[in-house]
Amino acid sequence: EVRLVESGGGLVQPGGSLRLSCAVSGLTVSHTYVSWVRQAPGKGLEWVSVIYSSGNTNYADSVKGRFTISRDNSKNTVFLQMNSLRDEDTAVYYCTSASWDDWGQGTLVTVSS
Amino acid sequence: DVVMTQSPLSLPVTLGQPASISCRSGQSLVYSDGNTHLNWFQQRPGQSPRRLIHEVSKRDSGVPDRFSGSGSGTDFTLKISRVEAEDVGVYYCMQATHWPITFGQGTRLEIK
Repeated sequence: EVRLVESGGGLVQPGGSLRLSCAVSGLTVSHTYVSWVRQAPGKGLEWVSVIYSSGNTNYADSVKGRFTISRDNSKNTVFLQMNSLRDEDTAVYYCTSASWDDWGQGTLVTVSS
Repeated sequence: DVVMTQSPLSLPVTLGQPASISCRSGQSLVYSDGNTHLNWFQQRPGQSPRRLIHEVSKRDSGVPDRFSGSGSGTDFTLKISRVEAEDVGVYYCMQATHWPITFGQGTRLEIK
């Protein structure tokens, strides 16, 4: 059974930083790709970033240059480093597997002064 | 980016009646390998999204057979043959043929 567990969310001021973690079990992150998807309060789903088995990465234009996705193969964990946070980054952040049929429970990031 | 347009955005349905959600993409979702990477997700209140349908019409494991997907090219449909109370939530289409991946706005299904 595949399981993804996000952590690291919280309240941060505009311009601040936060690092999210996605601990994965049931599959090996270095053999597949993992995405981050976010959902602003009361809004729809927005794809944010992906890290491939090769280590290559891709980002939505809205976060490019501010967010960095990475992974630790020894911990089977994927990270999302978020810098220069803005009010509009407030959302629940989910990590999801390559097949899109496994999602974590999400972690809430609130950017507010 | 490929724009995904769902309709209706709100869908009140009587229990036991059918429901249908349309999803149109701004360009063809047929990939170079011939596959069409169009998925449907259900998000119940307070829960994470759950994939129901992948590759237009392939139902995921554990998904009731009252859910079905159809379509091709740029026009796709999710149908529920007989709506049950547990079907309340928001439904999203998502395309994974073109980068970046994009979602529809969501369709909120409620019981009349």
